[in-house]
Amino acid sequence: SQQGEEDPQALSIQEGENATMNCSYKTSINNLQWYRQNSGRGLVHLILIRSNEREKHSGRLRVTLDTSKKSSSLLITASRAADTASYFCATDQAGGTSYGKLTFGQGTILTVHP
Amino acid sequence: DAGVIQSPRHEVTEMGQEVTLRCKPISGHDYLFWYRQTMMRGLELLIYFNNNVPIDDSGMPEDRFSAKMPNASFSTLKIQPSEPRDSAVYFCASSWSGHQPQHFGDGTRLSIL
Repeated sequence: SQQGEEDPQALSIQEGENATMNCSYKTSINNLQWYRQNSGRGLVHLILIRSNEREKHSGRLRVTLDTSKKSSSLLITASRAADTASYFCATDQAGGTSYGKLTFGQGTILTVHP
Repeated sequence: DAGVIQSPRHEVTEMGQEVTLRCKPISGHDYLFWYRQTMMRGLELLIYFNNNVPIDDSGMPEDRFSAKMPNASFSTLKIQPSEPRDSAVYFCASSWSGHQPQHFGDGTRLSIL
């Protein structure tokens, strides 16, 4: 099964509203990353949060991490039509032989209506 | 700076044919990853390399799939013989360190008829 599970699977909002996406995972991590994918394009890295961090900001993005609950959330404030995309969380699992390997969730499809 | 470059962007071929996908990672990146994306299975890691050496190929679905990285600036993913269930978008990504963000190419959309 997937290391990262995202919720909701799809989110539809109006321009100017905030969008919140959640990610849960199963094992200990080194870091958790969020990526965006526009239709027909590759994934683009948005933000990385380390296991010893609880919150991180980048422009209109805010990411939180709760390692006790093994969950993370991505908040996009004041959304724009250009934010329409799929958003993925990816976990860099700690230990083992998985150095360098990310495990991606199934993604949240965000639609922002003008 | 040039990003990860993949070719071709689209490939349509008949079942049984050999398919070769190509990737040029970002210069200076030591890690290279091959992924496959489908609606049913999402984004799956097929294989990844560190300093041109394959580290983990546990995601390669069958012996029909093979990947090489002859030098730091080039990698190939080959499918021989191809089957309709191989139809997917194949992504290459690179990173400069194992714990750092990955940079993705725009993928190769592969259709096997």
